[in-house]
Amino acid sequence: SQKIEQNSEALNIQEGKTATLTCNYTNYSPAYLQWYRQDPGRGPVFLLLIRENEKEKRKERLKVTFDTTLKQSLFHITASQPADSATYLCALNNAGNNRKLIWGLGTSLAVNP
Amino acid sequence: KAGVTQTPRYLIKTRGQQVTLSCSPISGHRSVSWYQQTPGQGLQFLFEYFSETQRNKGNFPGRFSGRQFSNSRSEMNVSTLELGDSALYLCASSLNSGTYEQYFGPGTRLTVT
Repeated sequence: SQKIEQNSEALNIQEGKTATLTCNYTNYSPAYLQWYRQDPGRGPVFLLLIRENEKEKRKERLKVTFDTTLKQSLFHITASQPADSATYLCALNNAGNNRKLIWGLGTSLAVNP
Repeated sequence: KAGVTQTPRYLIKTRGQQVTLSCSPISGHRSVSWYQQTPGQGLQFLFEYFSETQRNKGNFPGRFSGRQFSNSRSEMNVSTLELGDSALYLCASSLNSGTYEQYFGPGTRLTVT
């Protein structure tokens, strides 16, 4: 069956450390994968997109990797801050349907001062 | 530029009723997608509209419908409400169909009693 999985347990880290979140998928062939941030009571906010032919993408303190062999994406936040506390969602498209995104349930990140 | 707006923000309905939710995309954006978000299922794609045409549809029953107007504003309708329709309904806009970065509104919290 098709699945997209993110760490279900909340991630608690100390301010200044690097947070690493995982997104694994099964039986999908995504052309791209996206990461979003969602705060309570608000809609998701787009962070980064990585395509199947890209290994790594960076934006300021954020880094995303995409391994189509392992069927996994890793999302890193370096020098984390309490303001980074939120739920992070990964989403992918299935081959042949670019507009229909499939979403993980998200991982809750708490950065402690 | 104003963000995506959704009205109403909160709604309480009883089983069997119908509801209409509204979404105004970012000015200049022509694609509007709708999602249902629940704690157990996460974000699930309902449909996408572009230039007043439905471009993609998720796996939801026919009770869920939508439309888009010439000014790109969109509405979604749910008829014969069921308890399981209680969820956060999110609208996302993007510049064009096939543009991957999506901008979400704050959502409409629908409670069916």
